[in-house]
Amino acid sequence: AQSVAQPEDQVNVAEGNPLTVKCTYSVSGNPYLFWYVQYPNRGLQFLLKYITGDNLVKGSYGFEAEFNKSQTSFHLKKPSALVSDSALYFCAVRASGSARQLTFGSGTQLTVLP
Amino acid sequence: EAQVTQNPRYLITVTGKKLTVTCSQNMNHEYMSWYRQDPGLGLRQIYYSMNVEVTDKGDVPEGYKVSRKEKRNFPLILESPSPNQTSLYFCASSMEGLNTEAFFGQGTRLTVV
Repeated sequence: AQSVAQPEDQVNVAEGNPLTVKCTYSVSGNPYLFWYVQYPNRGLQFLLKYITGDNLVKGSYGFEAEFNKSQTSFHLKKPSALVSDSALYFCAVRASGSARQLTFGSGTQLTVLP
Repeated sequence: EAQVTQNPRYLITVTGKKLTVTCSQNMNHEYMSWYRQDPGLGLRQIYYSMNVEVTDKGDVPEGYKVSRKEKRNFPLILESPSPNQTSLYFCASSMEGLNTEAFFGQGTRLTVV
């Protein structure tokens, strides 16, 4: 069975500082990894995805994520955080060989302090 | 505008009273699914559909039904809601393929009293 772990329920960072939101995964087969963001009272919005190739993936709003196969991680990063980045972030995985199921982590609440 | 539309956005109902949450997408996506979101648990898949008349159970299907009679619509049915089904529900759609991102509706907050 595939699974995703987001070890931090809450991440606080000062505006202008770099941010990292952690994600590790467990799958059988090749992983397809995604990050989504959820603002209050809204649905999830797609940020970026890793399919294959370059381990550093760039996405929307200046976010990027680094895929590390040996550590089975896919951490979300941004060089300079904005107050408007404050939201709930979800990591998700699909695996080749699975029934196309998208499995989500429990979410990390990011708060960027002015 | 490409979108997934859920209705209603908010619903309060009583135990045992059948209800349906509608979901419609205008992107001609083959794959649709329903999730529930609960604090600390992330999103858990209830049911999914790979195309018209093809549906299957996700991780938490008990107490729910779905149907896919048309490609664009994927309603979620609670035949006899119970308080433990109080949750935030999301419908999502995506194109065929493992590497495709899902598009989500705005969510339906359901309270069963």
